[in-house]
Amino acid sequence: DAGVTQSPTHLIKTRGQQVTLRCSPISGHKSVSWYQQVLGQGPQFIFQYYEKEERGRGNFPDRFSARQFPNYSSELNVNALLLGDSALYLCASSPRVTGELFFGEGSRLTVL
Amino acid sequence: AQKITQTQPGMFVQEKEAVTLDCTYDTSDQSYGLFWYKQPSSGEMIFLIYQGSYDEQNATEGRYSLNFQKARKSANLVISASQLGDSAMYFCAMREGQRGNNRLAFGKGNQVVVIP
Repeated sequence: DAGVTQSPTHLIKTRGQQVTLRCSPISGHKSVSWYQQVLGQGPQFIFQYYEKEERGRGNFPDRFSARQFPNYSSELNVNALLLGDSALYLCASSPRVTGELFFGEGSRLTVL
Repeated sequence: AQKITQTQPGMFVQEKEAVTLDCTYDTSDQSYGLFWYKQPSSGEMIFLIYQGSYDEQNATEGRYSLNFQKARKSANLVISASQLGDSAMYFCAMREGQRGNNRLAFGKGNQVVVIP
């Protein structure tokens, strides 16, 4: 069975640009969460969606937005990129609104 | 305030030896969950073990066990019989209360290198 898949795996952007990251959860999982992991730190919670509704939002500016589609896949959008947005963006899915999280390998974003 | 504290420097451990990774947490909730994840260089976070705040027994999963001391607010991970594949970053995380979401607060991690 396929795990959580994320795309793209690596990307490079310049300051001020916009980026969209994509995540496909494990089949049957209805919840998707997004985390940002800056080098040398633990992951920080950005968003959680369950059944297409936002269930939690971390302490991130409005430049960060996300949505979940009817097939439970999700996109994370970041506008007006800053150098500090350079990080590994991790997506995690779970079958229910709470419970064990299954992570993908992440999308590594570099902002120049 | 930091909710999860992991302060150990990088650790070298001999293959087949046991290693203990420290984690302390801060919460005022009575109901919470504690997790340990492993992150190899590939980046994927791999779930290892879970301890609920009301669980009376320390959690165990194969070679992983969690030393849960509620009064001291500590949840140390013990890896027995270390293997070369255990070399990775290890993160302690907490989910607080009944908030109806899956938000985890992670510590900064512990680097473990297993040497033959």
